[in-house]
Amino acid sequence: GNSVTQMEGPVTLSEEAFLTINCTYTATGYPSLFWYVQYPGEGLQLLLKATKADDKGSNKGFEATYRKETTSFHLEKGSVQVSDSAVYFCALKRRTNAGKSTFGDGTTLTVKP
Amino acid sequence: DAGVIQSPRHEVTEMGQEVTLRCKPISGHNSLFWYRQTMMRGLELLIYFNNNVPIDDSGMPEDRFSAKMPNASFSTLKIQPSEPRDSAVYFCASQGQGYIQYFGAGTRLSVL
Repeated sequence: GNSVTQMEGPVTLSEEAFLTINCTYTATGYPSLFWYVQYPGEGLQLLLKATKADDKGSNKGFEATYRKETTSFHLEKGSVQVSDSAVYFCALKRRTNAGKSTFGDGTTLTVKP
Repeated sequence: DAGVIQSPRHEVTEMGQEVTLRCKPISGHNSLFWYRQTMMRGLELLIYFNNNVPIDDSGMPEDRFSAKMPNASFSTLKIQPSEPRDSAVYFCASQGQGYIQYFGAGTRLSVL
């Protein structure tokens, strides 16, 4: 079946530090890949996505590249801010019209000033 | 668009009472998901619907939980009777053709 494995947290960084959150997946076929972010007290929201191999998704300074050869979709940001403190979820979705997404366990990021 | 709307935002009830959570998905979306989130168990998929039909309810914890989607613009998740271990944040999400799930703000349920 499909599965997503995320780097365990929590992760604590100082402001302006470099961020990497690892994500690897197992899936049949060629799924679409996503990063969702959950700010305190809110629901999850899409951060970025990639739909095919070698695609790079980007948003708000975050980037992730769909690596088919390593089945990975690592999230990176060059300089984090306090406002980036949140829980980050990696997810995959098979390419069918219906059907659920498979989410990782989430990684909590705290950025200190 | 107003996004996915959940009500109530907070619910405090006593053990044994019936609880009904409500969700209005984004217009035009054909899939709807109910999740539960706790510190201990993380984010769990309870059930999802496609075109108002329940597709997978394998995540529903037990018979005390039930969900309905009588039309494309409304869904409910009911717990009867409620227990303290049901305390959690319950999220509803809807999905259209682009595979992206749009989450509501959640209902924080406390069962005393």
